[in-house]
Amino acid sequence: EAGVAQSPRYKIIEKRQSVAFWCNPISGHATLYWYQQILGQGPKLLIQFQNNGVVDDSQLPKDRFSAERLKGVDSTLKIQPAKLEDSAVYLCASTPQGALTGELFFGEGSRLTVL
Amino acid sequence: AQSVTQPDIHITVSEGASLELRCNYSYGATPYLFWYVQSPGQGLQLLLKYFSGDTLVQGIKGFEAEFKRSQSSFNLRKPSVHWSDAAEYFCAVGNAGNNRKLIWGLGTSLAVNP
Repeated sequence: EAGVAQSPRYKIIEKRQSVAFWCNPISGHATLYWYQQILGQGPKLLIQFQNNGVVDDSQLPKDRFSAERLKGVDSTLKIQPAKLEDSAVYLCASTPQGALTGELFFGEGSRLTVL
Repeated sequence: AQSVTQPDIHITVSEGASLELRCNYSYGATPYLFWYVQSPGQGLQLLLKYFSGDTLVQGIKGFEAEFKRSQSSFNLRKPSVHWSDAAEYFCAVGNAGNNRKLIWGLGTSLAVNP
């Protein structure tokens, strides 16, 4: 079974530029999460989708971050314009429908460096 | 406030030695507890989880953890550490609610000396 796929793995941009990350969850997984992990910290939930609907985006900085999961499968996270403090690893995770809370399957992450 | 504390930021052990990583939580409801491991450049992988029942849970890679409600702790243990166990370890707590939101600790970085 293929795991959670993310791309790109690494991205370097200058501040005020834009960037987009893509995630393809495990096939059949209804719930998809985007996390931000700053160096030395635990993951911080940015947004959670259930199929193509948003369940929780309370910690998403909506003035610069956006995310979509139009067909309820893959998802894109965009940052525009980027700030220095956005330098982090962006992790995508998924869970199957009905899974007990917390059993997340993570991708390898997309590491963003903002100069 | 809900929180997870991992008191040790960094631990170094010798290969073959025993290991205990500490996790304390503050949570209003019955907690669901998890340990995840993150190897360098990798995503997080679930090591083990506690939902209910036996308070000593077994996980992958020879790890176990014990839930102690009276101490609000969920410490991770391994009797003999291997060099490949060097990684970042995260404790997390959640609930059975619909939003499935996890609260994460800051992680403990484990180094293993040969």
